Amino acid sequence: EPEVTQTPSHQVTQMGQEVILRCVPISNHLYFYWYRQILGQKVEFLVSFYNNEISEKSEIFDDQFSVERPDGSNFTLKIRSTKLEDSAMYFCASRRGGGGRETQYFGPGTRLLVL
Amino acid sequence: RKEVEQDPGPFNVPEGATVAFNCTYSNSASQSFFWYRQDCRKEPKLLMSVYSSGNEDGRFTAQLNRASQYISLLIRDSKLSDSATYLCVVNRPGKDSSYKLIFGSGTRLLVRP
Repeated sequence: EPEVTQTPSHQVTQMGQEVILRCVPISNHLYFYWYRQILGQKVEFLVSFYNNEISEKSEIFDDQFSVERPDGSNFTLKIRSTKLEDSAMYFCASRRGGGGRETQYFGPGTRLLVL
Repeated sequence: RKEVEQDPGPFNVPEGATVAFNCTYSNSASQSFFWYRQDCRKEPKLLMSVYSSGNEDGRFTAQLNRASQYISLLIRDSKLSDSATYLCVVNRPGKDSSYKLIFGSGTRLLVRP
């Protein structure tokens, strides 16, 4: 069964450093997402991406964040200058398309720790 | 007010018990509804979609009441492997039919031998 993959599984970085989290969505999917989950809290939407542009972004997704689909397979989330409060699990998700009943499939996540 | 509200639990039940989880959502623009399951430090995994007519998948039954903006999940004959956090999720439309998932905080279930 096809699945969403993410690398790295864990990333430790110093405050102020740039990080790039990578995702390979399911191959025939058209919609791509990033969510994050701070330890002990709920999963929160960050950004949706379709047709090579951002469809929607949350208040969390400020100028320090960017997304890119550099080729036909990868989907990346970049945090330009990490802050302590960026420490969280970051999940990539993809959806094939269609209407609201199409579900999103999640990758295993990247655990980011900012020191 | 939270957009999706759930009782955080934990629900601590013996194997074989029946357990029910409830969820309410506040945004009437929400179009579709799901229950996801999340194991500790893992990604959310779809358990089942929730339809107005109610739907069943083995030991799991989900119901939706749009008028009350209420969603439920019933688990019959609980197994040890059902221990997890159950996330009530609503799907809200966005630009380009992008939709986004809005998660509740989850209800933790512990099934004991």
